[in-house]
Amino acid sequence: AQSVTQLGSHVSVSEGALVLLRCNYSSSVPPYLFWYVQYPNQGLQLLLKYTTGATLVKGINGFEAEFKKSETSFHLTKPSAHMSDAAEYFCAVSVQGAQKLVFGQGTRLTINP
Amino acid sequence: DVKVTQSSRYLVKRTGEKVFLECVQDMDHENMFWYRQDPGLGLRLIYFSYDVKMKEKGDIPEGYSVSREKKERFSLILESASTNQTSMYLCASSPTGTGYNQPQHFGDGTRLSIL
Repeated sequence: AQSVTQLGSHVSVSEGALVLLRCNYSSSVPPYLFWYVQYPNQGLQLLLKYTTGATLVKGINGFEAEFKKSETSFHLTKPSAHMSDAAEYFCAVSVQGAQKLVFGQGTRLTINP
Repeated sequence: DVKVTQSSRYLVKRTGEKVFLECVQDMDHENMFWYRQDPGLGLRLIYFSYDVKMKEKGDIPEGYSVSREKKERFSLILESASTNQTSMYLCASSPTGTGYNQPQHFGDGTRLSIL
């Protein structure tokens, strides 16, 4: 079975600073990895996904994530935080043949002015 | 654009009531999902469906049932609501027969309170 661990339930950064949200996964077969964002009172939106190929994946709103198999990680980064990035972020994993995603616990990102 | 619509944003019901949460998608997706979201627990899968009249239990199906009579509609039913079912409920859909590498598209959620 697959699992996801997001390190840090709450991350706070200053506007303009680097954003780093950590995600580690567990899977015995090659994973498919996703990052979603949830703004207040809304559903989840896809930020980016890794399926196969290039391990550095670029998403919307300037976010990117790198799949590191040796570290079983898929950390999300953004070079310069903006106030509008304040939201909750979820990492998720799936594998071939599975019908469902497994989500992490979520990380709430706060941006300080 | 992709659209998943949940019938209610906020809902208040009483203990013991039968509660229906409705979800409709306009993308002709095969897969549909119901999750509940609780602080610190992330999203937990209740049920999913990969075809009309087909359903599979997720991680926390107890106290819930589902119905999928038409491809575009997936209903979550709380047979006898209890206070521990107070939560945010999210519906999602995804394309293809196996959605493992396809992103899921989410509705805006229904915040359900059971009194």
